[in-house]
Amino acid sequence: DTVMTQSPASMSTSVGERVTVNCKASQSVGTVVAWFQQKPGQSPKRLIYLATNRHTGVPDRFTGSGFGRDFTLTISNVEAEDLAVYYCLQYDSIPLTFGSGTKLEIK
Amino acid sequence: QVQLKESGPGLVQPSRTLSLTCTVSGFSLTSYGVSWVRQPPGKGLEWIAAIWSGGSTDYNSALKSRLSISRDTSKSQVLLKMNSLQTEDTAMYFCARRHVYYGPDYWGQGVMVTVSS
Repeated sequence: DTVMTQSPASMSTSVGERVTVNCKASQSVGTVVAWFQQKPGQSPKRLIYLATNRHTGVPDRFTGSGFGRDFTLTISNVEAEDLAVYYCLQYDSIPLTFGSGTKLEIK
Repeated sequence: QVQLKESGPGLVQPSRTLSLTCTVSGFSLTSYGVSWVRQPPGKGLEWIAAIWSGGSTDYNSALKSRLSISRDTSKSQVLLKMNSLQTEDTAMYFCARRHVYYGPDYWGQGVMVTVSS
């Protein structure tokens, strides 16, 4: 199984700042990675697919990058509504595997 | 408009079988796959199983012996059965659509399943 090691587990930031979330795959997954946002009490919403492509309607504040084993989600100009847990997912091989999540708190 | 909606019993006794249904609209099950993902309270996401647009299936190897996934295309439904339930299976269960190249995109709202006597 491909293990997705996600960091940090949590972070606290202020509105307007920039934050990054990292995922490292235990083996190469090419660009077959997605990022999801899960707000409290809601189901996950896709932000990024194929490592760098924004899902329809996702603000360009959200940017994905990476290839192979290392992937990053960057949120620029953080807004209060970005309070959520963020997950990476590799869907290159079965079983699909998620990172452990990053909880973003707004100061 | 793509929609997925999970339904199920809510409360299941230990050792019994869980049956969940994902009813979809806005797309065809012969064009997209559907995965099941679960999330124990306060914890992360775990992929469980998938049925692909051609009808083939895949399972999480850790759960495979207890799982069965199928579909009824005439009803636009994907069915998940899990037997020998334990308290550790208590979780929110989600279904999600998957494009063959672009991966999982839209998710249902989830259904909470509690395993308890």
